[in-house]
Amino acid sequence: SSELTQDPAVSVALGQTVRITCQGDSLRVYYASWYQQKPGQAPVLVLYGRNKRPSGIPDRFSGSRSGNTASLTITGAQAEDEADYHCNSRDTSGYHGWVFGGGTKLTVL
Amino acid sequence: QVQLVQSGAEVRKPGASVKVSCKASGYSFTTFDINWVRQATGQGLEWMGWMNPNNGYSGYAQKFQGRVTMTRSTSTSTAYLELSSLRSEDTAVYYCARGNSGDHVGEAWFDPWGQGSLVIVSS
Repeated sequence: SSELTQDPAVSVALGQTVRITCQGDSLRVYYASWYQQKPGQAPVLVLYGRNKRPSGIPDRFSGSRSGNTASLTITGAQAEDEADYHCNSRDTSGYHGWVFGGGTKLTVL
Repeated sequence: QVQLVQSGAEVRKPGASVKVSCKASGYSFTTFDINWVRQATGQGLEWMGWMNPNNGYSGYAQKFQGRVTMTRSTSTSTAYLELSSLRSEDTAVYYCARGNSGDHVGEAWFDPWGQGSLVIVSS
Protein backbone atom coordinates (compact mmCIF):
# COMPACT_ATOMS: atom_id res chain seq x y z
CA SER A 1 0.00 0.00 0.00
CA SER A 2 0.95 3.66 -0.34
CA GLU A 3 2.37 5.84 2.41
CA LEU A 4 1.91 9.50 3.28
CA THR A 5 4.65 11.40 5.10
CA GLN A 6 4.14 14.41 7.36
CA ASP A 7 6.52 16.35 9.58
CA PRO A 8 5.82 15.32 13.19
CA ALA A 9 5.75 18.87 14.55
CA VAL A 10 5.57 22.44 13.27
CA SER A 11 5.34 25.73 15.15
CA VAL A 12 4.15 29.19 14.14
CA ALA A 13 3.98 32.57 15.83
CA LEU A 14 0.53 33.92 16.48
CA GLY A 15 -0.76 35.72 13.39
CA GLN A 16 1.91 34.37 11.07
CA THR A 17 1.57 31.92 8.17
CA VAL A 18 2.39 28.25 8.40
CA ARG A 19 2.46 25.46 5.82
CA ILE A 20 1.99 21.81 6.72
CA THR A 21 2.95 19.29 4.05
CA CYS A 22 1.95 15.75 3.15
CA GLN A 23 4.02 13.72 0.71
CA GLY A 24 3.27 10.47 -1.09
CA ASP A 25 2.87 8.83 -4.47
CA SER A 26 -0.91 8.51 -4.11
CA LEU A 27 -1.11 12.33 -4.19
CA ARG A 28 -0.09 12.31 -7.85
CA VAL A 29 -3.48 10.69 -8.53
CA TYR A 30 -5.75 11.65 -5.64
CA TYR A 31 -6.32 14.88 -3.78
CA ALA A 32 -5.41 14.98 -0.12
CA SER A 33 -7.98 15.79 2.49
CA TRP A 34 -7.01 17.37 5.80
CA TYR A 35 -8.38 16.89 9.31
CA GLN A 36 -7.90 18.92 12.46
CA GLN A 37 -7.90 17.04 15.73
CA LYS A 38 -7.82 18.62 19.16
CA PRO A 39 -7.04 16.63 22.32
CA GLY A 40 -9.80 14.23 23.26
CA GLN A 41 -11.86 15.02 20.18
CA ALA A 42 -12.64 13.29 16.91
CA PRO A 43 -10.98 14.56 13.72
CA VAL A 44 -12.78 17.32 11.85
CA LEU A 45 -12.51 17.87 8.09
CA VAL A 46 -10.93 21.24 7.23
CA LEU A 47 -9.92 20.86 3.57
CA TYR A 48 -10.70 18.49 0.72
CA GLY A 49 -10.49 18.13 -3.01
CA ARG A 50 -9.27 21.04 -5.05
CA ASN A 51 -8.84 23.50 -2.12
CA LYS A 52 -12.39 23.22 -0.78
CA ARG A 53 -13.45 24.09 2.74
CA PRO A 54 -16.50 22.65 4.52
CA SER A 55 -19.02 25.07 5.87
CA GLY A 56 -17.78 26.72 9.05
CA ILE A 57 -14.06 26.38 8.34
CA PRO A 58 -12.37 29.82 8.25
CA ASP A 59 -10.90 31.03 4.97
CA ARG A 60 -7.45 31.32 6.56
CA PHE A 61 -7.20 27.58 5.78
CA SER A 62 -6.18 26.82 2.20
CA GLY A 63 -4.73 23.92 0.28
CA SER A 64 -2.57 23.20 -2.74
CA ARG A 65 -0.88 20.34 -4.53
CA SER A 66 2.34 20.03 -6.50
CA GLY A 67 3.55 16.70 -7.80
CA ASN A 68 3.43 14.23 -4.92
CA THR A 69 3.09 16.88 -2.21
CA ALA A 70 -0.08 18.39 -0.77
CA SER A 71 0.04 21.42 1.49
CA LEU A 72 -2.25 22.92 4.09
CA THR A 73 -1.58 26.61 4.68
CA ILE A 74 -2.92 28.65 7.58
CA THR A 75 -2.64 32.37 6.88
CA GLY A 76 -2.71 34.32 10.13
CA ALA A 77 -2.65 31.41 12.58
CA GLN A 78 -4.83 31.77 15.66
CA ALA A 79 -4.43 30.21 19.08
CA GLU A 80 -7.41 27.94 18.40
CA ASP A 81 -5.60 26.45 15.40
CA GLU A 82 -3.20 24.62 17.72
CA ALA A 83 -4.01 20.97 17.05
CA ASP A 84 -2.89 17.83 15.26
CA TYR A 85 -3.39 17.87 11.50
CA HIS A 86 -3.77 14.64 9.55
CA CYS A 87 -3.79 14.18 5.79
CA ASN A 88 -5.27 11.26 3.90
CA SER A 89 -6.03 10.13 0.40
CA ARG A 90 -7.23 7.09 -1.47
CA ASP A 91 -4.61 4.41 -1.89
CA THR A 92 -3.36 3.66 -5.39
CA SER A 93 -2.93 -0.04 -4.66
CA GLY A 94 -6.29 -0.83 -6.29
CA TYR A 95 -8.41 -2.25 -3.47
CA HIS A 96 -10.40 0.89 -2.66
CA GLY A 97 -8.25 1.51 0.35
CA TRP A 98 -7.17 4.68 2.07
CA VAL A 99 -3.97 5.90 3.64
CA PHE A 100 -3.20 8.44 6.36
CA GLY A 101 -0.13 10.48 7.10
CA GLY A 102 1.39 10.24 10.56
CA GLY A 103 0.00 13.60 11.60
CA THR A 104 1.60 16.97 12.36
CA LYS A 105 1.33 18.66 15.75
CA LEU A 106 0.95 22.39 15.22
CA THR A 107 2.00 24.67 18.07
CA VAL A 108 0.97 28.33 17.96
CA LEU A 109 3.49 30.41 19.90
CA GLN B 1 -27.92 17.28 10.70
CA VAL B 2 -25.69 14.55 9.31
CA GLN B 3 -24.09 12.65 12.14
CA LEU B 4 -22.63 9.36 13.23
CA VAL B 5 -23.11 8.24 16.83
CA GLN B 6 -20.99 5.40 18.16
CA SER B 7 -21.38 2.97 21.02
CA GLY B 8 -19.62 3.36 24.32
CA ALA B 9 -16.33 2.18 25.73
CA GLU B 10 -15.54 -1.52 25.96
CA VAL B 11 -13.06 -3.55 28.00
CA ARG B 12 -12.00 -6.96 26.75
CA LYS B 13 -9.46 -9.60 27.70
CA PRO B 14 -6.78 -10.69 25.22
CA GLY B 15 -8.13 -13.22 22.73
CA ALA B 16 -11.70 -11.97 22.97
CA SER B 17 -13.75 -10.10 20.36
CA VAL B 18 -15.39 -6.69 20.40
CA LYS B 19 -18.22 -5.21 18.31
CA VAL B 20 -18.56 -1.44 17.94
CA SER B 21 -21.62 0.23 16.41
CA CYS B 22 -22.04 3.45 14.42
CA LYS B 23 -25.55 4.82 13.92
CA ALA B 24 -26.07 7.20 11.02
CA SER B 25 -28.72 9.90 10.82
CA GLY B 26 -29.55 12.91 8.67
CA TYR B 27 -28.82 11.27 5.31
CA SER B 28 -29.53 8.18 3.23
CA PHE B 29 -27.46 5.49 4.96
CA THR B 30 -27.11 3.29 1.86
CA THR B 31 -25.65 6.05 -0.33
CA PHE B 32 -22.22 6.46 1.25
CA ASP B 33 -19.48 4.04 2.36
CA ILE B 34 -18.65 3.79 6.05
CA ASN B 35 -14.96 3.61 6.91
CA TRP B 36 -13.36 2.58 10.18
CA VAL B 37 -10.24 4.26 11.53
CA ARG B 38 -8.44 3.67 14.80
CA GLN B 39 -6.04 5.71 16.90
CA ALA B 40 -3.86 4.40 19.70
CA THR B 41 -2.96 6.86 22.44
CA GLY B 42 -0.47 9.43 21.17
CA GLN B 43 -0.41 7.87 17.71
CA GLY B 44 -1.71 8.78 14.26
CA LEU B 45 -4.84 7.64 12.48
CA GLU B 46 -4.88 4.15 10.99
CA TRP B 47 -7.41 3.17 8.32
CA MET B 48 -8.91 -0.29 8.90
CA GLY B 49 -11.42 -0.79 6.10
CA TRP B 50 -14.61 0.25 4.34
CA MET B 51 -18.13 -1.11 3.99
CA ASN B 52 -20.77 -0.31 1.39
CA PRO B 53 -24.09 -0.17 3.28
CA ASN B 54 -26.09 -0.66 0.09
CA ASN B 55 -24.81 -4.14 -0.73
CA GLY B 56 -22.75 -5.06 2.33
CA TYR B 57 -19.50 -5.35 0.35
CA SER B 58 -16.40 -4.53 2.36
CA GLY B 59 -12.65 -4.20 2.00
CA TYR B 60 -10.06 -4.40 4.72
CA ALA B 61 -6.52 -3.17 5.21
CA GLN B 62 -4.12 -6.07 4.86
CA LYS B 63 -3.01 -5.70 8.48
CA PHE B 64 -6.48 -6.62 9.72
CA GLN B 65 -7.42 -9.31 7.19
CA GLY B 66 -8.82 -12.36 8.97
CA ARG B 67 -9.54 -10.51 12.23
CA VAL B 68 -11.99 -7.80 11.18
CA THR B 69 -15.58 -7.91 9.95
CA MET B 70 -17.63 -4.89 8.93
CA THR B 71 -21.41 -5.30 8.65
CA ARG B 72 -24.53 -3.20 8.70
CA SER B 73 -28.24 -3.09 9.47
CA THR B 74 -30.11 -1.04 6.90
CA SER B 75 -33.27 -1.12 9.00
CA THR B 76 -31.56 0.82 11.79
CA SER B 77 -28.96 2.69 9.65
CA THR B 78 -26.19 1.23 11.78
CA ALA B 79 -22.73 0.02 10.78
CA TYR B 80 -20.74 -2.43 12.86
CA LEU B 81 -17.07 -3.19 13.32
CA GLU B 82 -16.08 -6.49 14.86
CA LEU B 83 -12.47 -7.21 15.74
CA SER B 84 -11.46 -10.63 17.00
CA SER B 85 -8.40 -12.23 18.63
CA LEU B 86 -7.79 -9.01 20.50
CA ARG B 87 -4.35 -8.18 21.84
CA SER B 88 -3.05 -5.31 23.94
CA GLU B 89 -1.90 -3.47 20.81
CA ASP B 90 -5.56 -3.16 19.75
CA THR B 91 -6.21 -0.78 22.64
CA ALA B 92 -7.30 2.38 20.83
CA VAL B 93 -10.14 4.73 20.01
CA TYR B 94 -12.10 3.42 17.04
CA TYR B 95 -13.83 5.91 14.74
CA CYS B 96 -16.36 5.46 11.98
CA ALA B 97 -16.38 8.04 9.18
CA ARG B 98 -18.54 8.54 6.11
CA GLY B 99 -16.70 8.36 2.81
CA ASN B 100 -17.52 11.02 0.22
CA SER B 101 -16.57 11.56 -3.42
CA GLY B 102 -16.54 14.83 -5.31
CA ASP B 103 -17.21 15.99 -8.84
CA HIS B 104 -13.56 16.02 -9.85
CA VAL B 105 -11.64 12.81 -10.41
CA GLY B 106 -9.55 12.02 -7.37
CA GLU B 107 -11.66 13.96 -4.88
CA ALA B 108 -12.57 11.89 -1.85
CA TRP B 109 -12.77 12.60 1.87
CA PHE B 110 -14.16 11.51 5.25
CA ASP B 111 -16.97 13.55 6.76
CA PRO B 112 -18.52 13.39 9.28
CA TRP B 113 -16.77 11.29 11.87
CA GLY B 114 -18.29 9.53 14.83
CA GLN B 115 -17.26 10.62 18.30
CA GLY B 116 -15.08 7.54 18.79
CA SER B 117 -15.35 4.36 20.84
CA LEU B 118 -12.58 3.46 23.27
CA VAL B 119 -11.63 -0.21 23.30
CA ILE B 120 -9.29 -1.36 26.06
CA VAL B 121 -7.68 -4.79 25.85
CA SER B 122 -6.29 -5.86 29.18
CA SER B 123 -5.99 -9.00 31.24
